[in-house]
Amino acid sequence: KNQVEQSPQSLIILEGKNCTLQCNYTVSPFSNLRWYKQDTGRGPVSLTIMTFSENTKSNGRYTATLDADTKQSSLHITASQLSDSASYICVVTRSNDYKLSFGAGTTVTVRA
Amino acid sequence: EPEVTQTPSHQVTQMGQEVILRCVPISNHLYFYWYRQILGQKVEFLVSFYNNEISEKSEIFDDQFSVERPDGSNFTLKIRSTKLEDSAMYFCASSDEVLGLYPLHFGNGTRLTVT
Repeated sequence: KNQVEQSPQSLIILEGKNCTLQCNYTVSPFSNLRWYKQDTGRGPVSLTIMTFSENTKSNGRYTATLDADTKQSSLHITASQLSDSASYICVVTRSNDYKLSFGAGTTVTVRA
Repeated sequence: EPEVTQTPSHQVTQMGQEVILRCVPISNHLYFYWYRQILGQKVEFLVSFYNNEISEKSEIFDDQFSVERPDGSNFTLKIRSTKLEDSAMYFCASSDEVLGLYPLHFGNGTRLTVT
């Protein structure tokens, strides 16, 4: 079954600290993996897209990693800011039909 | 930066009524999508639209749902007879390529409340 599981479901961190979010997937055949940031009441915004051959991709303070062998990805947020408070969604694309499978998201709350 | 715009931002309707949710995708994009997100749940695919026809739809997208691109710019989702369980955020999205390496651009959604 094509599933995307994210952990933790939610986390609270202090401003300035780092955190890492996890995404495990069973989607096959694999095309790419995307991380989206969704602010409350807004649409998801793309942070990174990674293909099979990419291990790491950064977008400012966000760094995504991908291990296509173990079907795991992580999103690392460095030096968190209050504006990082959001839901982070892992989305995996299947290569045969380009269907997207969404994770349930990790809700990050950054506190001053 | 161009963006996907959706109207209205919030729609309240009574059960059994028809609603039309409107979207203006990014102008040079060719692929259009509707997704929904029930409060606290995952984003769910409804339908994709390309070359003026539905290219794929999910099991959620039953006969009560329809999509149109009436004038080459607007992209609409119609729910013919709303049910309580249709209450959700509805997101329109567009892409300039079938979902390979190009990001999917989402609008900020329409919150539909069915009473």
